[in-house]
Amino acid sequence: EAGVVQSPRYKIIEKKQPVAFWCNPISGHNTLYWYLQNLGQGPELLIRYENEEAVDDSQLPKDRFSAERLKGVDSTLKIQPAELGDSAVYLCASSTTSVNEQFFGPGTRLTVL
Amino acid sequence: AQSVAQPEDQVNVAEGNPLTVKCTYSVSGNPYLFWYVQYPNRGLQFLLKYITGDNLVKGSYGFEAEFNKSQTSFHLKKPSALVSDSALYFCAVRVDTGRRALTFGSGTRLQVQP
Repeated sequence: EAGVVQSPRYKIIEKKQPVAFWCNPISGHNTLYWYLQNLGQGPELLIRYENEEAVDDSQLPKDRFSAERLKGVDSTLKIQPAELGDSAVYLCASSTTSVNEQFFGPGTRLTVL
Repeated sequence: AQSVAQPEDQVNVAEGNPLTVKCTYSVSGNPYLFWYVQYPNRGLQFLLKYITGDNLVKGSYGFEAEFNKSQTSFHLKKPSALVSDSALYFCAVRVDTGRRALTFGSGTRLQVQP
């Protein structure tokens, strides 16, 4: 069974530029999550989707971050414009329901210069 | 608000010896508890979970964890450590109602010496 796929794995951009991350969850997983992981810290939830509905986006900085999951399968997380403090690893995870364990992708390491 | 504490930044153990990685939590409501492991340049891998039932939970790669409600702890254990167990371990908690978001601890680096 294929795991959660994320791309790109690494991204380096200059501040004020836009950037987008893509995630394809495990087939059949209705719940999709985006997390941010800073160096030396645990992941922090940005947004959770149940199918195509964003049911928890309370921690998403909506002035610059946006996300979509139009067909309830893959998802895109966008930052526009990026700031130096956005440098981190962005993790995508999926689960069959919001109760069950989450399966994580390898993450996208973003560096903002 | 829910929180997780992993009091040790790093745990060192000799190969073949038992290991314990500590985790305490704070939630309002019934906790769901999880352990994940992270290897360099890889995503988090699920090890085990406690939802309900037996307080001793067995998971992948010979790991187990004991849920202690009175001490609000969920320590990860393994009877005999392997060098390949060296990695970053995260404890996480969520509640069975409300927002249901996972809250992770800051992680504990396990170093197993040959």
